[in-house]
Amino acid sequence: AAGVIQSPRHLIKEKRETATLKCYPIPRHDTVYWYQQGPGQDPQFLISFYEKMQSDKGSIPDRFSAQQFSDYHSELNMSSLELGDSALYFCASSFGPFVYEQYFGPGTRLTVT
Amino acid sequence: QKEVEQNSGPLSVPEGAIASLNCTYSDRGSQSFFWYRQYSGKSPELIMSIYSNGDKEDGRFTAQLNKASQYVSLLIRDSQPSDSATYLCAVKRAGSYQLTFGKGTKLSVIP
Repeated sequence: AAGVIQSPRHLIKEKRETATLKCYPIPRHDTVYWYQQGPGQDPQFLISFYEKMQSDKGSIPDRFSAQQFSDYHSELNMSSLELGDSALYFCASSFGPFVYEQYFGPGTRLTVT
Repeated sequence: QKEVEQNSGPLSVPEGAIASLNCTYSDRGSQSFFWYRQYSGKSPELIMSIYSNGDKEDGRFTAQLNKASQYVSLLIRDSQPSDSATYLCAVKRAGSYQLTFGKGTKLSVIP
């Protein structure tokens, strides 16, 4: 079965640079979620989109923005990167807001130097 | 106090035994409950979901929910070394999209 696709899988950036992470949900899934997982931490919810509209917002820094496009893929844009942004970034998708199971992609490992 | 609490472990069980993982949550508005398995450096993999009180079985896995006690558990029967991973409990509040995770319990199955 098709899974969530994330790109790139690894990304190395310097402080104050920008990064763009991409997420392609499971086919027919219309809801996308972004989570951040620091070393030894549990995943923290950042933001979600349902039918291309922001549906919920968590602890996402103002330096980050995200959107969902007409083909349901999503991008997380991160600016003025800080050392503390180094983490695994996961995208998850689900089929509508009323089916609750979220399926996670393989993640993007971001390293800020 | 964290909203979702789990024993961090490690929990060690011999191969073939039953592993019992526990989770408590503080938000009485929580409506949906999930168990994810996460291998080191990998993404969380959905194992079980449960929405109503009682037991739900899927293969070697059984999830148990008690909303009155705000308690969720996961039983893994016939544990295998490949089950060695961190198990994350996650809850979702009614009307919310986000999952709130516990810090996870590290399970080690000893051959």
